[in-house]
Amino acid sequence: KAGVTQTPRYLIKTRGQQVTLSCSPISGHRSVSWYQQTPGQGLQFLFEYFSETQRNKGNFPGRFSGRQFSNSRSEMNVSTLELGDSALYLCASSLVRDSNTGELFFGEGSRLTVL
Amino acid sequence: KNQVEQSPQSLIILEGKNCTLQCNYTVSPFSNLRWYKQDTGRGPVSLTIMTFSENTKSNGRYTATLDADTKQSSLHITASQLSDSASYICVVSEGNFNKFYFGSGTKLNVKP
Repeated sequence: KAGVTQTPRYLIKTRGQQVTLSCSPISGHRSVSWYQQTPGQGLQFLFEYFSETQRNKGNFPGRFSGRQFSNSRSEMNVSTLELGDSALYLCASSLVRDSNTGELFFGEGSRLTVL
Repeated sequence: KNQVEQSPQSLIILEGKNCTLQCNYTVSPFSNLRWYKQDTGRGPVSLTIMTFSENTKSNGRYTATLDADTKQSSLHITASQLSDSASYICVVSEGNFNKFYFGSGTKLNVKP
């Protein structure tokens, strides 16, 4: 069974550009969540989608957005990139988004560098 | 304020030795606590998930304990191996809004 797939694995952008990251969850998983990981802040929750609906959102500016498609694949977009957006962006999928028992399966991440 | 704090920030041990990592939390209402292992440049991998009623849970050489009264958890690694070198992240799930709170992690370095 394939794991969570994130593309691209690495990318370099310049300030002011925008970027789109993609996440394909484990087959059958309907919940996808996104996280930003930086050395200074650690892991921070961005947003979560279940059946194409955003169910939760973290404390990030509106430049960060996402969506989920009918096949459960998800994309996140960051517009008007800033130097501080340089980070590892992780996607996780879950069979059922149940905080009592659901396990999160993480992808390898997309490492974004903003110059 | 819901928070998760881990200690120590970093730890160096010799191969074959045991070690214990700590996690204190103030998340309420509590749903469950998870420990993840993250190798450098890779995504986190789940080690254990514990609910309120579970005091201890093992996964091979990894044993997690939970004291819900004092809101403390520990991850004990037995007979460490070089492959245990990684960051270990404690994650607490909040019960009302399905939100996760992450610790900043403990970076473990196992030396030969």
